[in-house]
Amino acid sequence: QKEVEQNSGPLSVPEGAIASLNCTYSDRGSQSFFWYRQYSGKSPELIMFIYSNGDKEDGRFTAQLNKASQYVSLLIRDSQPSDSATYLCAVMWDSNYQLIWGAGTKLIIKP
Amino acid sequence: NAGVTQTPKFQVLKTGQSMTLQCAQDMNHNSMYWYRQDPGMGLRLIYYSASEGTTDKGEVPNGYNVSRLNKREFSLRLESAAPSQTSVYFCASSEDGNGYTFGSGTRLTVV
Repeated sequence: QKEVEQNSGPLSVPEGAIASLNCTYSDRGSQSFFWYRQYSGKSPELIMFIYSNGDKEDGRFTAQLNKASQYVSLLIRDSQPSDSATYLCAVMWDSNYQLIWGAGTKLIIKP
Repeated sequence: NAGVTQTPKFQVLKTGQSMTLQCAQDMNHNSMYWYRQDPGMGLRLIYYSASEGTTDKGEVPNGYNVSRLNKREFSLRLESAAPSQTSVYFCASSEDGNGYTFGSGTRLTVV
């Protein structure tokens, strides 16, 4: 059974601080890793994806992948109230491009 | 710049009624998906279509049927709605595993 685990939160972070979101996965054969943001009542939108071990940066967002330890993280620098949302981690494990989803972490940025 | 279009956005059904959720994408993607999202349970795959003319069951297919009408359109049918099918339904499409693009969702209530 392939699983993706996330802490449901809520994770409360002061405005301007770094928010750190974590995700673990069960399948060592997993190939690609995705972070989506979902505002309340809206659909998920892709923030970043990462394939290789290490860090990938895009503006205020950094994705970190550690395949040996089977976790992927999302760091949000200089957190803004507009970053308040649920963040979904998804893992792609086969060539059919299917994603296994975590249940999401609710992030609250306090002004 | 429509992306993935879902209709309707809201629907209330009585137990036993049938309905079809429509989804269309204009990005020339091969793969399309139907998910349901329930509180605390994340996204669960109902059916997917890896290419025009093919469909496959996902994690929770019971009570649903799908049709991949052409490359653009992928519909989801509830033949006899049950209260357990009250959920938010999302259609998504993808190409080459670079993440999914989601429609805006359908909020379905079965009473």
